[in-house]
Amino acid sequence: EAQVTQNPRYLITVTGKKLTVTCSQNMNHEYMSWYRQDPGLGLRQIYYSMNVEVTDKGDVPEGYKVSRKEKRNFPLILESPSPNQTSLYFCASKRNTGELFFGEGSRLTVL
Amino acid sequence: QQQVKQSPQSLIVQKGGISIINCAYENTAFDYFPWYQQFPGKGPALLIAIRPDVSEKKEGRFTISFNKSAKQFSLHIMDSQPGDSATYFCAARPGFQKLVFGTGTRLLVSP
Repeated sequence: EAQVTQNPRYLITVTGKKLTVTCSQNMNHEYMSWYRQDPGLGLRQIYYSMNVEVTDKGDVPEGYKVSRKEKRNFPLILESPSPNQTSLYFCASKRNTGELFFGEGSRLTVL
Repeated sequence: QQQVKQSPQSLIVQKGGISIINCAYENTAFDYFPWYQQFPGKGPALLIAIRPDVSEKKEGRFTISFNKSAKQFSLHIMDSQPGDSATYFCAARPGFQKLVFGTGTRLLVSP
């Protein structure tokens, strides 16, 4: 089954404690991306990757890091989380048609 | 002008009624306009999309109407059903660049 898998799905953490949200896709897509969803703000792109070892900033990259060492994986790293990073995070990969294929989301709360 | 403005923020429609969600844009380079549907606890999924060379696209009960001169496009859901209750995002993209999302509309179809 074609899918984008994110982990963890839910996480409560404290300010400053480094965390990583993993993302894996099994569709051999070259393009992957991270979004955050906040009420009234819609989906905003954090980082994207056109291919292995190629990453670039989206609209709201501050406080986040990514890496793309393998085509299937695109982890999102919060080196020192802050409360304003409390959000719902989505990883997505892009089909050749241009359609974004999203994971089920990771809800992060930073206390 | 990368924004896509979406309205209303929320919408309640009776079963069998017509749901209408509107979006407006400024960037005339946008040439792909998809709508994504998101159920609670799930990631957004492509519902229907249109390119500006047509004024309307229909798939089942879902129709996109596109007004190029007004730089507006809308989603119409005919015979709305409780199962259509979800959050809907419009989006737009210039060429093969990233999608720009609207802020979302939470639709509730009452039984």
